Formats: sequence, structure tokens, C-alpha cells
Amino acid sequence: KNQVEQSPQSLIILEGKNCTLQCNYTVSPFSNLRWYKQDTGRGPVSLTIMTFSENTKSNGRYTATLDADTKQSSLHITASQLSDSASYICVVSYGGATNKLIFGTGTLLAVQP
Amino acid sequence: NAGVMQNPRHLVRRRGQEARLRCSPMKGHSHVYWYRQLPEEGLKFMVYLQKENIIDESGMPKERFSAEFPKEGPSILRIQQVVRGDSAAYFCASSPGTGNYGYTFGSGTRLTVV
Repeated sequence: KNQVEQSPQSLIILEGKNCTLQCNYTVSPFSNLRWYKQDTGRGPVSLTIMTFSENTKSNGRYTATLDADTKQSSLHITASQLSDSASYICVVSYGGATNKLIFGTGTLLAVQP
Repeated sequence: NAGVMQNPRHLVRRRGQEARLRCSPMKGHSHVYWYRQLPEEGLKFMVYLQKENIIDESGMPKERFSAEFPKEGPSILRIQQVVRGDSAAYFCASSPGTGNYGYTFGSGTRLTVV
């Protein structure tokens, strides 16, 4: 069964600190893995997208890693800001079709001053 | 470029009424996708449309739900005879084609059935 699991479910950190969010997946055949940021009451916004051959990709203070062998990904946030408070969703695309996406339930991050 | 526009942002319906959710894709995007997000759950795929065609509706409930993407105008997700279990956030996304990039979500419509 295609599944995407994220940990932790929620996380509280102080402003300026770093954090790492985890994503494990059992999705086949794998096409790509995406990380989205979803603010409360808004739609998901893409942070990174990685294909099978890519094992790291950065977008500003966000760095995503992918280990296709162990089927794990992480999202590292550096020097967190209050505006980073949001849900971070790991999404795996499979089968090569644009509508074949499996969404994780997200990690809810709260950055406190 | 206004992005993917969904309206209304919030919709309240009584049980048994109809709900109509609208989605205008980004300019230049011809592919539209609808997703449903229940509280504490991840987004679930419902239906994938191109202009005047339903490509994949495998995630749509068999009854009461329908979707269209006419040649002119927005895509419409229609829920007939709504029940309390239909209360959720409904998100629309659009993409320019079948590639990996450019997949963009709207801000969603929050449907509450009372």
C-alpha cells in the first residue's frame, strides 16, 4: 500500500534554532518527492521537488534530502523565523502521472520568540 | 498572475443542499486537480480534469459528487445533497502539463455542513 509517514507530528522550537523534519515512504513506482509548506487556512506552497537521482536540494533556509534506497527524506530548516510556523507536508509522486500524489499528514511546526 | 483562484473561501450549507465550488487555474494551465482535506488528515486526491475532459475520477465518491472543467470558465466541483461528513477543506491545483513542475495550489474552500 502506498503510504507517506511524517515525524514528528508536531514540533515547537525557539526562533533562530534549526530543526529537521522526517518523511518515510513506501510508494512505488517512485517519480519524485516534494515538500510543501501550508500556512493555516491557505493552500500548500511548494518548497522543493526532487527526482530519484537528486539527494539534496536547497531553497533559501530550507534544505531537503532524499535517500531513495532507504526511502527516506528530511527537510532541514536553518535559523528559524516566526513566519516558518506552518504545517510541512511531504508528498510523493508515483507512476509518472501528475495526479498520482500521496500526501503525508504533515508536521506542525511552531516557532516561538 | 493571480495564481489559482478558488471561491468561495468559506461555504456553509444545510444538510440536503447543494454546494458548488469554483476553481480558476493559473494562466496557461490546462490541467486541474481537486483534493479534499479532512481535519488531522492529509490531502486526498479526488479528480483530475483537462478542458472538457475528466482524466481520472478514481478519488471521487460514486454518488452526489461531480466535477467539470468547461471550455470556458472555471472548473466546478459540485456536491449534491450535502451531509455533515462532507465538511472539509477542498483544494484545487493546476499545472501546465504533465511535467513535475508548476503544480500550484489554490487557497481552498472550507465547506461546513450544518
